[in-house]
Amino acid sequence: DAKTTQPTSMDCAEGRAANLPCNHSTISGNEYVYWYRQIHSQGPQYIIHGLKNNETNEMASLIITEDRKSSTLILPHATLRDTAVYYCIVRVERSNDYKLSFGAGTTVTVRA
Amino acid sequence: EAGVAQSPRYKIIEKRQSVAFWCNPISGHATLYWYQQILGQGPKLLIQFQNNGVVDDSQLPKDRFSAERLKGVDSTLKIQPAKLEDSAVYLCASSPRSGEQYFGPGTRLTVT
Repeated sequence: DAKTTQPTSMDCAEGRAANLPCNHSTISGNEYVYWYRQIHSQGPQYIIHGLKNNETNEMASLIITEDRKSSTLILPHATLRDTAVYYCIVRVERSNDYKLSFGAGTTVTVRA
Repeated sequence: EAGVAQSPRYKIIEKRQSVAFWCNPISGHATLYWYQQILGQGPKLLIQFQNNGVVDDSQLPKDRFSAERLKGVDSTLKIQPAKLEDSAVYLCASSPRSGEQYFGPGTRLTVT
């Protein structure tokens, strides 16, 4: 699976949009981009995933560039509860193989 | 829907002792995973089960770690004997045949 590069940490203001970048320049055509987050003392939580089109759900939006070498996770109105480590993962969808390879992620701190 | 359950939540043991962790996945989820998360790092996959068969255990230190999933439902991860470097959070996750993974709260192991 392709590797990803994320900033180590970032701050954002409560109520503002948080834009989390991820670089995956070696992504293959059949690899999806997944985002998970991990709030302190909890297990990781799925946020969103996409292949090439932009995606939106109740938690976030995922913007994937046309060349698919990078993506941005957008939390539209960050709250204090969004403080967490955010992981960007790329993986191939294989039958019976859905394992995730986590990097160090981005530590996001939402400040009042 | 009930989430992934894990027990115990915390465990402290001395090196060379044995320890076991239990996981009950979400009902109907065929795939079960065990991850190890060392402080400051992302989770690392130890083993993946599909029903009660092992799909991937390439990262499991088999000289001291073992895991089983009897009847394709609950799973147990055992460490025998424990080393200081085994201090970590052990996360269990489950997923349906396709789609995202759902993580439990983890078991924090401290080896002294």
